[in-house]
Amino acid sequence: KNEVEQSPQNLTAQEGEFITINCSYSVGISALHWLQQHPGGGIVSLFMLSSGKKKHGRLIATINIQEKHSSLHITASHPRDSAVYICAVRYSASGSRLTFGEGTQLTVNP
Amino acid sequence: NAGVMQNPRHLVRRRGQEARLRCSPMKGHSHVYWYRQLPEEGLKFMVYLQKENIIDESGMPKERFSAEFPKEGPSILRIQQVVRGDSAAYFCASSPPTFTEAFFGQGTRLTVV
Repeated sequence: KNEVEQSPQNLTAQEGEFITINCSYSVGISALHWLQQHPGGGIVSLFMLSSGKKKHGRLIATINIQEKHSSLHITASHPRDSAVYICAVRYSASGSRLTFGEGTQLTVNP
Repeated sequence: NAGVMQNPRHLVRRRGQEARLRCSPMKGHSHVYWYRQLPEEGLKFMVYLQKENIIDESGMPKERFSAEFPKEGPSILRIQQVVRGDSAAYFCASSPPTFTEAFFGQGTRLTVV
């Protein structure tokens, strides 16, 4: 059983829709990352969170430490947002390495 | 300030050959991580290195795989006697000493034929 759970696995949206991707983890963490990966491409770090909320352009990431849950929101989605979004955590007991969710494949149709 | 540089981007090896994957971390970053992404699977941790030291290799296969991060030059992930199951994307990430961020390279896509 993966220690980082993401939902949904696949998500299809129409351009302009508000999108939410969820991530839950099992034990205490020191940080949580949201990453973006385009097909055949590299990995881009979108956010690193240890508490609260961060916003960058149309992207918003939140984390609830007590509930061990984080969400990534995309407002006014666009076809260029189509990618795999990956949640990764740095567990306090695992040093500085990351443990990854399976990813959410997002497709935004025009 | 160039990002994390990995080369080659694509590598084809025949079964039994050696594969060498290189990673140059961002300037000022002394921590390097290697992760593997098998086809249709998520990313998995392999090894964590600092200059001249292996800190955590708990994710490395016991045989054929090795990693180093010398005092000078890039970090190297070496796979000896490759097999088809080694075909994957190998990503390198680097962090500053404060772990305030993680930056990933473009990855090396290894194909074993």
